[in-house]
Amino acid sequence: SQQGEEDPQALSIQEGENATMNCSYKTSINNLQWYRQNSGRGLVHLILIRSNEREKHSGRLRVTLDTSKKSSSLLITASRAADTASYFCATDVGGGADGLTFGKGTHLIIQP
Amino acid sequence: GAGVSQTPSNKVTEKGKYVELRCDPISGHTALYWYRQSLGQGPEFLIYFQGTGAADDSGLPNDRFFAVRPEGSVSTLKIQRTERGDSAVYLCASSLLAGGFNEQFFGPGTRLTVL
Repeated sequence: SQQGEEDPQALSIQEGENATMNCSYKTSINNLQWYRQNSGRGLVHLILIRSNEREKHSGRLRVTLDTSKKSSSLLITASRAADTASYFCATDVGGGADGLTFGKGTHLIIQP
Repeated sequence: GAGVSQTPSNKVTEKGKYVELRCDPISGHTALYWYRQSLGQGPEFLIYFQGTGAADDSGLPNDRFFAVRPEGSVSTLKIQRTERGDSAVYLCASSLLAGGFNEQFFGPGTRLTVL
């Protein structure tokens, strides 16, 4: 079963604009991670935010986490054509269950 | 350095046949994970190994699915009596240590098509 649900399912913006994707989840978590998947390729880890953190930055990426609302957002600033991909949030619920639970993803298209 | 590799990249089989999918993790990574990704969906956890033992196989859909990692490195996912619903991309990932705070590195996947 999928724990997370990304919103929107698809997003198309112009190059240079900012892109925001949201993720909601159902159960308590240890941490939340965001992954990128280019067409036909494996997933690439972008950023991990722990349950006791509220915001984290990495380059052009900014992730927020609101555990009271069970939600997270991923912001990509100054988007580039190469950012076109599917983005997934994944949660780790801990308790010895170390497999990640992924959402359905947001498909992001950056128009040149 | 070499990343996670998976073979074959594509596998087409007929309903009822047996298939094996192989994963070579990053050298030195103790934890290995298998996921399955259907079209338009996110990856779905199947099984996780810590060393040679399956630490969590709660995601395996039924007893037709089995995975091994006999020497704590390469892993094989085995599917018996394949069904059309087994068609998906099977992803393998490894991490240096076990635990959700360790980044998982994913392979390119094996696309399985059951006719």
